[in-house]
Amino acid sequence: SQQGEEDPQALSIQEGENATMNCSYKTSINNLQWYRQNSGRGLVHLILIRSNEREKHSGRLRVTLDTSKKSSSLLITASRAADTASYFCATDGFGNEKLTFGTGTRLTIIP
Amino acid sequence: GAVVSQHPSRVICKSGTSVKIECRSLDFQATTMFWYRQFPKQSLMLMATSNEGSKATYEQGVEKDKFLINHASLTLSTLTVTSAHPEDSSFYICSAVGGTDTQYFGPGTRLTVL
Repeated sequence: SQQGEEDPQALSIQEGENATMNCSYKTSINNLQWYRQNSGRGLVHLILIRSNEREKHSGRLRVTLDTSKKSSSLLITASRAADTASYFCATDGFGNEKLTFGTGTRLTIIP
Repeated sequence: GAVVSQHPSRVICKSGTSVKIECRSLDFQATTMFWYRQFPKQSLMLMATSNEGSKATYEQGVEKDKFLINHASLTLSTLTVTSAHPEDSSFYICSAVGGTDTQYFGPGTRLTVL
């Protein structure tokens, strides 16, 4: 069953603006990962944050993790049209590589 | 980064036939591979975990006799949809773990059963 909930379900912003997506989960985790999926394509791994980390950066991406609130956020700065995609968070537990995916956020960048 | 391929990328078949989908890790060895299915505009649902040299572990509600998984080598896992029906039409995605915590995903296979 789905563990994660993401909000918003859909987000449309102007190119150049920042996009923030949130993910909440229900049980203890080992890692939380963010993936991007273009329509009808596979998933591209964006960033992994471990349960003992609070923030991580990769290029224009910034991920935060609050284990007390069981939530994470993905910030994409200075958005580009090519960022248009669906974004999913996924969690795994200790000693368990299985990923449980969130419901996803469909991001549309308007040129 | 690590590369995972799937073949075919798209397949159309008649109801009642079987379809085999291959998942390969191209530049690393994967002791564990995962199979997911994704319906339109929905998230990924894990179907089964495939371990090299042993039987796959299926998630609750997934019929193991319908979705046959074979992980014959450290770089190849196959999913066979047996006696496919229109409700099996979906996007099937595999992933592979290669020694780190990161799962690398294949590009997916679009199955359409007529």
